[in-house]
Amino acid sequence: DAGVIQSPRHEVTEMGQEVTLRCKPISGHNSLFWYRQTMMRGLELLIYFNNNVPIDDSGMPEDRFSAKMPNASFSTLKIQPSEPRDSAVYFCASSLGGQLAKNIQYFGAGTRLSVL
Amino acid sequence: GESVGLHLPTLSVQEGDNSIINCAYSNSASDYFIWYKQESGKGPQFIIDIRSNMDKRQGQRVTVLLNKTVKHLSLQIAATQPGDSAVYFCAENRKPSDTGRRALTFGSGTRLQVQP
Repeated sequence: DAGVIQSPRHEVTEMGQEVTLRCKPISGHNSLFWYRQTMMRGLELLIYFNNNVPIDDSGMPEDRFSAKMPNASFSTLKIQPSEPRDSAVYFCASSLGGQLAKNIQYFGAGTRLSVL
Repeated sequence: GESVGLHLPTLSVQEGDNSIINCAYSNSASDYFIWYKQESGKGPQFIIDIRSNMDKRQGQRVTVLLNKTVKHLSLQIAATQPGDSAVYFCAENRKPSDTGRRALTFGSGTRLQVQP
């Protein structure tokens, strides 16, 4: 298995532009997570999906952020409009999930976003 | 609120020595814990996990100890190698009955530096 695949690996954009980050989870995993990592705040959970349905989006910073999971093999995190303070590394992770599952999350390599 | 607490100290060890990385957690409802390793430019990588009904679990060169009395978790790495240099995170997972949220809560990490 190729693991969790994220694209792009690096994104540089200007303030005000729309940014779309993409994630392909591990095949067979039914939970998907989006995290943001910064030096100041560490690793923060933004939102997670179970069976393509958003379960908890309390970590989404504000309305500028949105996430979708149209099917079991693809998810997007969109920032519109982007701001310099959104600069961070964004990780996607997936897990088998379930009530009795061990819930080990497997992470992608991340997308490093720089908003100028 | 309750959270996994791990400020980002740096642990420096000599190659071949044993390393011990500590983590304090405050949520007594947590029943599952994971240690992750994050190398520079990469996503967190699963190392080892432990359920709350255990106090010790061993892997290859790594051992996780759980002390529920004082809410303390540790990761022991035997014969530390240069390739072990990374940031290590502990993460906790609450029981399934707690609001249905299945996401992990991550500590802030410890940087391990292995001196040759």
